[in-house]
Amino acid sequence: DGGITQSPKYLFRKEGQNVTLSCEQNLNHDAMYWYRQDPGQGLRLIYYSQIVNDFQKGDIAEGYSVSREKKESFPLTVTSAQKNPTAFYLCASSPTGSLAAEKLFFGSGTQLSVL
Amino acid sequence: RKEVEQDPGPFNVPEGATVAFNCTYSNSASQSFFWYRQDCRKEPKLLMSVYSSGNEDGRFTAQLNRASQYISLLIRDSKLSDSATYLCVVSYSGNTPLVFGKGTRLSVIA
Repeated sequence: DGGITQSPKYLFRKEGQNVTLSCEQNLNHDAMYWYRQDPGQGLRLIYYSQIVNDFQKGDIAEGYSVSREKKESFPLTVTSAQKNPTAFYLCASSPTGSLAAEKLFFGSGTQLSVL
Repeated sequence: RKEVEQDPGPFNVPEGATVAFNCTYSNSASQSFFWYRQDCRKEPKLLMSVYSSGNEDGRFTAQLNRASQYISLLIRDSKLSDSATYLCVVSYSGNTPLVFGKGTRLSVIA
C-alpha cells in the first residue's frame, strides 16, 4: 500500500539534544512538508520541499533543519536551538510542486516531548 | 498577512442535529479551498474540496462565498462519529503552500 510513514510515533528529547524525525513516502510525490501542531492549535508550516535537493522555510523554521536528498525522504531535525519543541509533528506530501491546488496526504504524526 | 479564521468551538450538538461552520479568509485572490477532518492526536484527512458552485457529499455540504470571503461546511443528521476537529484550508497563491485555520471542534452527544 502506498502512503507516508513517520517514525517514531513518540520521541523524547533531552535538553540540548538534537533529534531527527523520519518521514518516508512511496507515493512518488514531488512535494513534501513538515507541520507542527500544538494543543488546540492549527497546523503551522516548518519547511517544505517541491523537488529533490531543494527546500524552503515555512512560517516557523527557526530551530529546525531538513534535507531532501531523495524524493521519498524528508527528515526533520529538531535542534537544540528550538527552545520549545514539545508538539505533534506531521509530515505531508502532495503529487506535484503546484503547492496551492493539491490535496495533502499526511503521515500519522510524531509526538515529541522534552524530558 | 495570511489569515484563515475559524470559530474554535466547541460546538456541542445532539445526534441528528444539523450544524454549520464558517471559515473566513483574508486573500481575495485565493483559488483553492478545502475542509479537513482531524481526530484527536491523528493526522488530518481530506473531507471535501470546496468548489465555486458548492458541493455535496452525503450529509456534508460545502459552500464558497467569494464576495464575503468565507467558506462553510454544513453537516446534516449528525452522528456520534462526526465528533472531530474540522480544519479550513485555503490557498494564497499558485506557488505557496496551503494555509490552515486553527480548526473548529465538534462534539456530537447521544
